[in-house]
Amino acid sequence: GAVVSQHPSWVICKSGTSVKIECRSLDFQATTMFWYRQFPKQSLMLMATSNEGSKATHEQGVEKDKFLINHASLTLSTLTVTSAHPEDSSFYICSANGQGARREALDTQYFGPGTRLTVL
Amino acid sequence: GEDVEQSLFLSVREGDSSVINCTYTDSSSTYLYWYKQEPGAGLQLLTYIFSNMDMKQDQRLTVLLNKKDKHLSLRIADTQTGDSAIYFCAESLNRDDKIIFGKGTRLHILP
Repeated sequence: GAVVSQHPSWVICKSGTSVKIECRSLDFQATTMFWYRQFPKQSLMLMATSNEGSKATHEQGVEKDKFLINHASLTLSTLTVTSAHPEDSSFYICSANGQGARREALDTQYFGPGTRLTVL
Repeated sequence: GEDVEQSLFLSVREGDSSVINCTYTDSSSTYLYWYKQEPGAGLQLLTYIFSNMDMKQDQRLTVLLNKKDKHLSLRIADTQTGDSAIYFCAESLNRDDKIIFGKGTRLHILP
């Protein structure tokens, strides 16, 4: 149990376009979802935290109007990179926490497989 | 502030034990994690330990925690070529909080 999927797994776009990445919890209700970013050969850095039904909280230095996050349901959160530029090229990974099918609290966060974004 | 430090590179002969060390600064952290990331892939949670534990063993993996020194280690027994990856040490205040990652230790297996 506790599977998180991301779509797409990779995307290439032109500079100036917007890209939407989906993060889904497949077998549990994700009350909290996190979005991380990993640049090549670097560690994961948290971008924002979203709770279902409320506004996301962006980390310092992460522009909330550039990285739009929507967590409208207990199984889906989306990250939209608006007006993407080459410096936004990165590996974006989401994680989720919440309740299992029997309403038991999950023991930890579960990570999606990541989305590799390349902006030309 | 919150910080997690680990060495960037470790080279081990196949069949030997690998020990990856990590230190963290936030004594309030209750969850301490080890993740594995293979090239081009996502994160795989290997194991985690609560801050009130000293040790956790799971098959070839042994995690040791020295809370006083804020030192965490991951031992992989009988290291295999499939263990070649980057290993991230990480911490969080509790299960619902953000996870702070170290820079990762690249484990290289020698034949």
